[in-house]
Amino acid sequence: DVKVTQSSRYLVKRTGEKVFLECVQDMDHENMFWYRQDPGLGLRLIYFSYDVKMKEKGDIPEGYSVSREKKERFSLILESASTNQTSMYLCASSSRTSWADTQYFGPGTRLTVL
Amino acid sequence: DAKTTQPPSMDCAEGRAANLPCNHSTISGNEYVYWYRQIHSQGPQYIIHGLKNNETNEMASLIITEDRKSSTLILPHATLRDTAVYYCPRGSGNTGKLIFGQGTTLQVKP
Repeated sequence: DVKVTQSSRYLVKRTGEKVFLECVQDMDHENMFWYRQDPGLGLRLIYFSYDVKMKEKGDIPEGYSVSREKKERFSLILESASTNQTSMYLCASSSRTSWADTQYFGPGTRLTVL
Repeated sequence: DAKTTQPPSMDCAEGRAANLPCNHSTISGNEYVYWYRQIHSQGPQYIIHGLKNNETNEMASLIITEDRKSSTLILPHATLRDTAVYYCPRGSGNTGKLIFGQGTTLQVKP
C-alpha cells in the first residue's frame, strides 16, 4: 500500500515563527502536493512538485514556500506564520506513469498559529 | 468557475443505496472525474475515477452522463462506516492536479 506520512498530526506555533511541515512518501512517486483545508472552502492547492528540485505554484501560494531536495520528501515552509494560516494541511503524492493519476493523501497536520 | 459543485449534505438509510451527485459543467475533454471521501480527522481516500464510461470497483460505481457534465457516485449498500465527506474533483492526467469543490457530507443513519 502507498504510504504518505506527515511529520506531525497537531502543531501549535506563535505568530512570526518559521514553520516546517514535512511529508514523506514511500512509493517512488514523481508528483507531490500540498493542500490546505478550511471549513466551507474544501481543499485548496498551495504548491506542487513534479520532480526533485521542481516546484509549481498552486491556487494559494502566498505566504508559503516549498522544498523538494529528495524524491520522497516534500516540505512546506511558512516563513513567518500568521493566524490566518491556522488550518489543516494535507500532503499527497501521485505517479506520472499512468494517464489518470490517483493522488494518495497523508493523514494531515492541524496547525494552530497563536 | 472551474470547480465542481455538490449538494452540501445528504442522508441515507443503512443498507440502502447512496447516490451522490456532482456537477462539473465546465469539464474539459481530457479531464477525468475522481471521487474521494474523507472520514473525520483523516486524509481523503481515493474511491474511483472515470473519463467517459461508467466504472465499477469493489467500493462503488460511477455513472457519467453522456455529455460528461455530471456524474453520480453510487454506494450500493451504505453502512454506518460510509458516513464521510465525499468529493468529486476533476483532473487532467497529464498534470496530476486535482481541482476540489466543497464536497457532500453523507450521513448514513441506522
